Amino acid sequence: GESVGLHLPTLSVQEGDNSIINCAYSNSASDYFIWYKQESGKGPQFIIDIRSNMDKRQGQRVTVLLNKTVKHLSLQIAATQPGDSAVYFCAVRTGSSNTGKLIFGQGTTLQVKP
Amino acid sequence: DTEVTQTPKHLVMGMTNKKSLKCEQHMGHRAMYWYKQKAKKPPELMFVYSYEKLSINESVPSRFSPECPNSSLLNLHLHALQPEDSALYLCASILRSDREYGYTFGSGTRLTVV
Repeated sequence: GESVGLHLPTLSVQEGDNSIINCAYSNSASDYFIWYKQESGKGPQFIIDIRSNMDKRQGQRVTVLLNKTVKHLSLQIAATQPGDSAVYFCAVRTGSSNTGKLIFGQGTTLQVKP
Repeated sequence: DTEVTQTPKHLVMGMTNKKSLKCEQHMGHRAMYWYKQKAKKPPELMFVYSYEKLSINESVPSRFSPECPNSSLLNLHLHALQPEDSALYLCASILRSDREYGYTFGSGTRLTVV
């Protein structure tokens, strides 16, 4: 099966700084990766995704990096804002193409200090 | 419509009650999922429906009974639950289980079993 882990349960950054949240996965056959943001009392909100045939993808203020050699995924948030405070999950798709099983990592709580 | 709608938002039920959770999407997605999320933990997969057929049951106790009446609707029937079943129940959908367009999550139903 797949196991997905995060390196740090909590990350505290100063407003305006860049944030980096890391994630490791175990199954080299995993082919699709997503970062989610979850605020208190809400469902996970899609941030950015990346397929295994890419190593970098950029969105608005966010960048996802994928290193398949070491099975590592990271989310970079530029110029972190108070509204970025939330729990961030990486999620990894595993299994056959018809099962679409999405497995979540443990989550990193991002705290943004004003 | 780009949302997954879950009802009710909150539910309190006794251990002898029967209740149902509802999930609805009108994005034409053909794969739908139930996840369970305990406090400060990642979502855990319960069931996957692909083209209205149950494709994955993650060894969920029979007191949870999923149903997919049509491609837009997913239900989770609850009966004889235990207090430890109290959690946030999340529904998600994707276009098809073999094509990823960012799994879309609903806001969840906060279930309390008393």
